[in-house]
Amino acid sequence: GAGVSQTPSNKVTEKGKYVELRCDPISGHTALYWYRQSLGQGPEFLIYFQGTGAADDSGLPNDRFFAVRPEGSVSTLKIQRTERGDSAVYLCASSLLAGGQGTQYFGPGTRLTVL
Amino acid sequence: AQSVTQLGSHVSVSEGALVLLRCNYSSSVPPYLFWYVQYPNQGLQLLLKYTSAATLVKGINGFEAEFKKSETSFHLTKPSAHMSDAAEYFCAVSDRSNQGGKLIFGQGTELSVKP
Repeated sequence: GAGVSQTPSNKVTEKGKYVELRCDPISGHTALYWYRQSLGQGPEFLIYFQGTGAADDSGLPNDRFFAVRPEGSVSTLKIQRTERGDSAVYLCASSLLAGGQGTQYFGPGTRLTVL
Repeated sequence: AQSVTQLGSHVSVSEGALVLLRCNYSSSVPPYLFWYVQYPNQGLQLLLKYTSAATLVKGINGFEAEFKKSETSFHLTKPSAHMSDAAEYFCAVSDRSNQGGKLIFGQGTELSVKP
């Protein structure tokens, strides 16, 4: 079956602009996660959704970052007033079961470059 | 706070040699433990995970890892390296008390395999 998909695969924007990154999870997966991976680093947790609600947003770096999942499937990560430090690969993962025992399946990521 | 340490950002082995990638975690309560692999321009793929059963966990592609509570370690091994094993490997943990199961990743180890 289809895996997690993310669009766009690459996004180049200018400092101060607004961007949206989209994630399509595996069908039926109720848990959805966003991570950010900077060059040479491991992924860092941003936010976790269980269904439509953001159950844990403790990893969002500041209020310029926001994510939604209005129908419990597709999720959009939104970044306002982008800064050069936001440049990274943004990863989405989904899981059939929430919690540590569930396996998170990752998408290929969106590479965001802020000029 | 929970943390993960991967010793060695780069490991190089010859084809056919033993692969050993090291991972240590910080918590006093054993977390769930994972190894993921990331091939160039691809998403993270789960190799194996430890939840609570056998301490020796077998994964895909001939990899295995052993959970050692006394050493707070979860090292990844493969008896005989293959050229196709060249990739970035990430150790990750999930706190058992965290209902969402967010993953905390190490910084990664890049594995090179020489012919």
